[in-house]
Amino acid sequence: GAGVSQTPSNKVTEKGKYVELRCDPISGHTALYWYRQSLGQGPEFLIYFQGTGAADDSGLPNDRFFAVRPEGSVSTLKIQRTERGDSAVYLCASSFSPGSDEAFFGQGTRLTVV
Amino acid sequence: DAKTTQPTSMDCAEGRAANLPCNHSTISGNEYVYWYRQIHSQGPQYIIHGLKNNETNEMASLIITEDRKSSTLILPHATLRDTAVYYCIVRVANSGYSTLTFGKGTMLLVSP
Repeated sequence: GAGVSQTPSNKVTEKGKYVELRCDPISGHTALYWYRQSLGQGPEFLIYFQGTGAADDSGLPNDRFFAVRPEGSVSTLKIQRTERGDSAVYLCASSFSPGSDEAFFGQGTRLTVV
Repeated sequence: DAKTTQPTSMDCAEGRAANLPCNHSTISGNEYVYWYRQIHSQGPQYIIHGLKNNETNEMASLIITEDRKSSTLILPHATLRDTAVYYCIVRVANSGYSTLTFGKGTMLLVSP
């Protein structure tokens, strides 16, 4: 598959637990973005990577959220001490370069905190 | 990035043209108008973008007013598979990093 792949597609976790969400971008895409989408809302920006570095993490809601992209390809979004309010669809997108016209989105991971 | 205003929902009969409006009265000279759509349970999908000239591709046409304060996305022959939320976004392009800022979009329902 040539698209952006996100795993798992669904994740149910208990309040207070730690979760990791994975994103495999399109091969060769240097820019990678994480978004969060709550029910009935548009996607909300979380963090942007250019290569291995987080160039803009201004959208992360608090220090429980962290993301890495150690080799400039796969990225992992990590959420510590999950809360019920973290329940949402987490979307990953990639683009060939930061200024590319088109960003390609994955299908998202639906996170439910119970 | 400038804010956009879109109707909450619209209906369209299958086979007819769907015209989705967007107001972006505070758009800056270096900001483009982008359209994405999101089909249920999928990630957003890029449709088209433009600066000031009208644009057309295999998916849609984009008409931008001369003052650039509003635009219309046109799906010339809507099908049931075009039922989705359509997002109008303004964004600086071709100048390095610029994120997409999504609003609530317009829910387009195409009916038989």
